[in-house]
Amino acid sequence: DAGVIQSPRHEVTEMGQEVTLRCKPISGHDYLFWYRQTMMRGLELLIYFNNNVPIDDSGMPEDRFSAKMPNASFSTLKIQPSEPRDSAVYFCASRRGGVTGNTIYFGEGSWLTVV
Amino acid sequence: AQSVAQPEDQVNVAEGNPLTVKCTYSVSGNPYLFWYVQYPNRGLQVLLKYITGDNLVKGSYGFEAEFNKSQTSFHLKKPSALVSDSVLYFCAVRDIRSGNEKLTFGTGTRLTIIP
Repeated sequence: DAGVIQSPRHEVTEMGQEVTLRCKPISGHDYLFWYRQTMMRGLELLIYFNNNVPIDDSGMPEDRFSAKMPNASFSTLKIQPSEPRDSAVYFCASRRGGVTGNTIYFGEGSWLTVV
Repeated sequence: AQSVAQPEDQVNVAEGNPLTVKCTYSVSGNPYLFWYVQYPNRGLQVLLKYITGDNLVKGSYGFEAEFNKSQTSFHLKKPSALVSDSVLYFCAVRDIRSGNEKLTFGTGTRLTIIP
């Protein structure tokens, strides 16, 4: 089975530009998560969705960040405008709902550098 | 609130010796506990998990972890270390109280196996 698929894998952009990160979760998974990883702060949960509905966005750092999930197989994380401090690895992850679906599976990450 | 502590940023072990990577947690209710491994420039992969049942959990590549409720610990262990075990390890916890879907990660422990 295909895992969580993220694109782009690497992006370098200039400060002030819009960045869009994309994610395709594992088919059949009800939950989708966006995490950010930095040296200073480790792994932080930004937002998660259940059945395409945003449930908790308390980890989104500020209004420059937004996330959408228009359908069960696609999500985006957008940063507008981007700043150098947004440089990080952004992971998308998904898991099945219910008692059996307790393991979260991660994509390979989108490595963002804002210069 | 839920939290995880990995007290050691770095652990060095000689090849063939037993290894332990420490993890303690804090939750309001009962925990789901996970160990993830992160290979260079890759996403996180689950190594093992404790959901319920036997306190000793066996995972991939000969790793195991013991859930100790009284000490709120979930240390990762392996009886004989391999050089290929030299990667980054994350402990994670999720409080299983109703409605909580957040998985909180520790800061990570880099394991180095010395040939």
